Amino acid sequence: DAGVIQSPRHEVTEMGQEVTLRCKPISGHNSLFWYRQTMMRGLELLIYFNNNVPIDDSGMPEDRFSAKMPNASFSTLKIQPSEPRDSAVYFCASSPHVGTGELFFGEGSRLTVL
Amino acid sequence: AQSVSQHNHHVILSEAASLELGCNYSYGGTVNLFWYVQYPGQHLQLLLKYFSGDPLVKGIKGFEAEFIKSKFSFNLRKPSVQWSDTAEYFCAARPSGGGNKLTFGTGTQLKVEL
Repeated sequence: DAGVIQSPRHEVTEMGQEVTLRCKPISGHNSLFWYRQTMMRGLELLIYFNNNVPIDDSGMPEDRFSAKMPNASFSTLKIQPSEPRDSAVYFCASSPHVGTGELFFGEGSRLTVL
Repeated sequence: AQSVSQHNHHVILSEAASLELGCNYSYGGTVNLFWYVQYPGQHLQLLLKYFSGDPLVKGIKGFEAEFIKSKFSFNLRKPSVQWSDTAEYFCAARPSGGGNKLTFGTGTQLKVEL
């Protein structure tokens, strides 16, 4: 079975540009998570969805960040406008159902904002 | 606030040495605890988890972890490491019954030398 698929794997952009990261969760999983990984702060949960509905977005840094899940097989994380401090690896993860605690991660999208 | 601390940021060991990575959590109630591993160039994957019962849990690849409630700790151990154990290790926690919202530690980078 295919795992969680993220794109792009690497993105280099200039400050002020819009960035869109994409995620396809494992089929049948109904929870989806966006995490950000930096050296200073480690892995931070940005937002998570259950059954396509955002449940907790308290980790979203500011209004420049937005996430959507229009259907069970696709989610986006958008940064507009991007800033150098947004440089990080962004992970998407999915889970079969709430309560198991096991997350299945994608390989991450490494974002560099110049 | 809920938090997970990993005090060792970088660990270097020789093959066959014993490993212990520290993890402490700060939660008000009952917790579920996890260790995830990220091998170079790969995605995070679950190594082991503790929900209840025997506080000594065994995971994949010879890893084990011990939950010590009085110390709020969940240290990861392996009696004899291999070069292939070189990876980044993340401790994570969530309140029991708290959905899949995991709080991660900042990670420990383990390098095993031949």
